[in-house]
Amino acid sequence: SQQGEEDPQALSIQEGENATMNCSYKTSINNLQWYRQNSGRGLVHLILIRSNEREKHSGRLRVTLDTSKKSSSLLITASRAADTASYFCATEPQGAQKLVFGQGTRLTINP
Amino acid sequence: ETGVTQTPRHLVMGMTNKKSLKCEQHLGHNAMYWYKQSAKKPLELMFVYSLEERVENNSVPSRFSPECPNSSHLFLHLHTLQPEDSALYLCASSQEPSGSAWADTQYFGPGTRLTVL
Repeated sequence: SQQGEEDPQALSIQEGENATMNCSYKTSINNLQWYRQNSGRGLVHLILIRSNEREKHSGRLRVTLDTSKKSSSLLITASRAADTASYFCATEPQGAQKLVFGQGTRLTINP
Repeated sequence: ETGVTQTPRHLVMGMTNKKSLKCEQHLGHNAMYWYKQSAKKPLELMFVYSLEERVENNSVPSRFSPECPNSSHLFLHLHTLQPEDSALYLCASSQEPSGSAWADTQYFGPGTRLTVL
C-alpha cells in the first residue's frame, strides 16, 4: 500500500467555494509537502510543513498536519477556475532519502 | 517558471531505438531527480543524484541509464524500451537532497512525454 493517499480522488465544486483535500500516510515523517499539477505539466510546489508544525498558511492555502493521526489537509479558500488541477501530497519518511507521492486529488472548479 | 528545463517535451520511439532525455536546472541546486508518472499510478522516483553522485536507484531496469555530468545537468539514456515504459518523465531539483536535515522543496521541470511503439 502507498505511503501517501489522497482523499477524495476527485472533487468538483463551484467557483468561490472552498476545497478541502486530505492526505493520510503510514510511517513517521520529516515533512509533508503539497504540490499542484496542471494537466500534462510538471509539478509546482505549494507548501511544506515540517513534522513539528501543525498549521501553515500561504495566501488562499491552509495546510494542517496531525502526526498522531498521520494525516494532513489542504484547504483552498475562495476557489478560482485557475485552481483546476491535480493536487498531490508528498511525504519524506524518516530515514529515507526520497519523497513519496500519493495518487493525487483531481480538483475541478466550475465557473 | 521553475528554473528547470527538460528536452525534448515529446518523444516517440521504437523499442529498438536509443534516445536521451535532458534536464537542466538554473537554480544552483545540489540534488537532481528523475521521476516516472504513468496514468493512474503515483509518481515513481527513479534516480537521485546529490552533488553529481547517484544516491538512490529505485530498482529501475537497466534499460534506463542516468548520467549527471555536473550539478546543473541530468540525462536519462533510454535503450530497448518496452511499451509499458510510455509515461511522463519528470526531472526535479532541490537545494539539498531529501533525507537531510535541510531537506526542502523540489522544483520540477515540465516533463517529457514519452511514447514507446
